[in-house]
Amino acid sequence: QVQLVESGGGVAQPGRSLRLSCVASGFTLSNYPMHWVRQAPGRGLEWVADISNDGGNEYYADSVKGRFTISRDTSKNTLYLQMNSLRAEDTAVYFCARDGATVVVTASFDFWGQGTLVTVSS
Amino acid sequence: QSVLTQPPSASGTPGQRVTISCSGSSSNIGSNTVHWYQQVPGTAPKLLIYTNNQRPSGVPDRFSGSKSGTSASLAISGLQSEDEADYYCAAWDDSLNGPVFGGGTKLTVL
Repeated sequence: QVQLVESGGGVAQPGRSLRLSCVASGFTLSNYPMHWVRQAPGRGLEWVADISNDGGNEYYADSVKGRFTISRDTSKNTLYLQMNSLRAEDTAVYFCARDGATVVVTASFDFWGQGTLVTVSS
Repeated sequence: QSVLTQPPSASGTPGQRVTISCSGSSSNIGSNTVHWYQQVPGTAPKLLIYTNNQRPSGVPDRFSGSKSGTSASLAISGLQSEDEADYYCAAWDDSLNGPVFGGGTKLTVL
């Protein structure tokens, strides 16, 4: 069955970096667009970034553009989110999610990981 | 401030029918499909409705979605205590070139 498992969260000081991982099983990562979505404590969902199924296109929310990078390793069936220059407002649970479409990127996320908590604090 | 607008709360008694609205604009709901997510606090969101009114396998037919113009609605009939959760609408936004979410609606079953 489809499963997504995130890791890499933790506490980081402002300005530092963290890399999140999302290991996919039950499907081939390169067949689907993939997303990162975050949720600050007590707040709603916020889309962060996505990568196309062929890996050739990446898009980012304005709030993270230039600081975060989404990537994947198809040999490991793993999605990544490299987060640099972290800010207090990046504190959130980060979810990886599979796009329900196989070709175009949409807002339909059919499978989600359990999330990993990132806390940015000095 | 979320791009899509939802009421912050809704409530109903067991067996009732409740609706949750989601308002957007021509660049998102007006030109793209709407999706709904259910999130029990402390857990990951779950896809509830996709492409305006389609239910994934396993979602009861008590849940239904509709869209008209730049607005969409989620209806839950035969309300059950297990439906108590946060509900989010989402759509692709052509201007922002990415998905956008509503602020979420907390549903309480009285």
